[in-house]
Amino acid sequence: GESVGLHLPTLSVQEGDNSIINCAYSNSASDYFIWYKQESGKGPQFIIDIRSNMDKRQGQRVTVLLNKTVKHLSLQIAATQPGDSAVYFCAENIAGTYKYIFGTGTRLKVLA
Amino acid sequence: EAQVTQNPRYLITVTGKKLTVTCSQNMNHEYMSWYRQDPGLGLRQIYYSMNVEVTDKGDVPEGYKVSRKEKRNFPLILESPSPNQTSLYFCASRTGTGGWGYTFGSGTRLTVV
Repeated sequence: GESVGLHLPTLSVQEGDNSIINCAYSNSASDYFIWYKQESGKGPQFIIDIRSNMDKRQGQRVTVLLNKTVKHLSLQIAATQPGDSAVYFCAENIAGTYKYIFGTGTRLKVLA
Repeated sequence: EAQVTQNPRYLITVTGKKLTVTCSQNMNHEYMSWYRQDPGLGLRQIYYSMNVEVTDKGDVPEGYKVSRKEKRNFPLILESPSPNQTSLYFCASRTGTGGWGYTFGSGTRLTVV
């Protein structure tokens, strides 16, 4: 069957390099943001989140940066590994609501 | 293990034949949602539930029904499936009103012929 990721932009990086995946979010009233990783044939998996009172948050090998002025979110993956190959997408939660908006995603390909 | 379990993983059916996709979570989450995922589009919410017996429409509810009789279960019902409902479906759950990430199931790939 057709892959969900067929029409996605692709970022190709060399194994060991750092990856930066970007996301423009849509609603200035959003105050909580999440990055998900989706491997082929699997459901989205939570990677890292950030609230709007922060500009940066770090996890294990991952960092999320938030620029509220231009409504931009980025995910940085340090020392990219073959297991990082997947589709990555951001999600935003509009403050005080049940509403989550999901981005379409970027496919990350790690080259050996 | 904390998880969202949905079944079946794959389903091929014919137009008009009623079907149910089951979803169960073991994390005692209040909120559960159904999403569909189509090429070139982000996850789109079909229905969501804030707690037992409380459900509401998402962005694309037409042709779907849900029920929440128990906190752990949130089945998705297609009374009369049509080919435009061919898609990849995800059930997800979370705690809190907002500001918390969803945990997703593994997905159900539905094909309606």
